Amino acid sequence: DTGVSQDPRHKITKRGQNVTFRCDPISEHNRLYWYRQTLGQGPEFLTYFQNEAQLEKSRLLSDRFSAERPKGSFSTLEIQRTEQGDSAMYLCASSLTTGRGNTIYFGEGSWLTVV
Amino acid sequence: AQTVTQSQPEMSVQEAETVTLSCTYDTSESDYYLFWYKQPPSRQMILVIRQEAYKQQNATENRFSVNFQKAAKSFSLKISDSQLGDAAMYFCAYSWLGANSKLTFGKGITLSVRP
Repeated sequence: DTGVSQDPRHKITKRGQNVTFRCDPISEHNRLYWYRQTLGQGPEFLTYFQNEAQLEKSRLLSDRFSAERPKGSFSTLEIQRTEQGDSAMYLCASSLTTGRGNTIYFGEGSWLTVV
Repeated sequence: AQTVTQSQPEMSVQEAETVTLSCTYDTSESDYYLFWYKQPPSRQMILVIRQEAYKQQNATENRFSVNFQKAAKSFSLKISDSQLGDAAMYFCAYSWLGANSKLTFGKGITLSVRP
């Protein structure tokens, strides 16, 4: 068990550029989540996958955001035409459903700075 | 909608002393989980302790214990024998079993430990 890994850890981009973050969940975890966290705030839910199916998207996930999880393994989160307001840490998390509830494990996050 | 409130933005404790972090939540559901997560300066969110709402017994993990008051919708974390490594942001979080188990977080509290 190597934990949830995210890449890149830090990204600085110019406004208007596209960025993509990758998340590798814990092996065999069927659920994968993306959260966004700004300084001084708790993480906010963005979207969720069960296997390869994206089952829920937050209103925070504008049309410029797209997430995929092909084959139910790793996931990518792409932000198109970045804006300064997109500057935040993007957290990926995974879990394994085991009947009653499940513990969610987080990665170290990907910091995005839009200049 | 579920909400989680952490009204104390910062707390400080002397090394080896005990500190209690407060959290309240609001939900109309009866079956849910509550969590405390720790986020050290390295930023990876780590699960500290979790409580199932249907269990009356308060959860305990080594030096960490909770005081779960379901009727009052209160969920505080007690850290005994505080250590320097306990310094971090602590987030209270809620998860409803009937949904996708996504977490709703409070704003967090910054705990500092004085040597």
